[in-house]
Amino acid sequence: DVKVTQSSRYLVKRTGEKVFLECVQDMDHENMFWYRQDPGLGLRLIYFSYDVKMKEKGDIPEGYSVSREKKERFSLILESASTNQTSMYLCASSLKTDYGYTFGSGTRLTVV
Amino acid sequence: AQSVTQPDIHITVSEGASLELRCNYSYGATPYLFWYVQSPGQGLQLLLKYFSGDTLVQGIKGFEAEFKRSQSSFNLRKPSVHWSDAAEYFCAVGGFNKFYFGSGTKLNVKP
Repeated sequence: DVKVTQSSRYLVKRTGEKVFLECVQDMDHENMFWYRQDPGLGLRLIYFSYDVKMKEKGDIPEGYSVSREKKERFSLILESASTNQTSMYLCASSLKTDYGYTFGSGTRLTVV
Repeated sequence: AQSVTQPDIHITVSEGASLELRCNYSYGATPYLFWYVQSPGQGLQLLLKYFSGDTLVQGIKGFEAEFKRSQSSFNLRKPSVHWSDAAEYFCAVGGFNKFYFGSGTKLNVKP
């Protein structure tokens, strides 16, 4: 089974800190995604990547950046964390469209 | 514009009863359609998917879904719900590796 591992289950950070969320997949998937999940809003796409060093903005990229230096790792960066970025962050990977996504377990980030 | 609507935020059913969760979508092309399930504190797990062929698709855990193009719907069903089915369910629509998710339906199962 494909495994997508997010390095932290829970994080608490202070306003203004630079935050790194790490995601690693172990099945050589080309495509990786970062979503945030908020009650009543479902999942919203932040950034995605189709290949190493490539990135595309999703629907809500403001305040975030990403890095994909290696195929298996996709990092989400909050340049200066704010309280409105308190959320559940989900990483996903896929081989191709009709396979669907494999999700990590999520990182619940609280910004205080 | 692409969108996914799950009109029911919460549903409660009795164990052993049948279940139908609704999903309606708006998408400019023939979509890929998925249902995912999320247990508390976990990521999402793929239940089933549709992109062509028979419009009734079978998934894991006894779930099925029917694609109705004329109604732009992809409703999820299960004939007999088990207590372990209590979770949140998400419908997703899209293509070319980019998907739009509904806001989810939380399922409670009464003993």
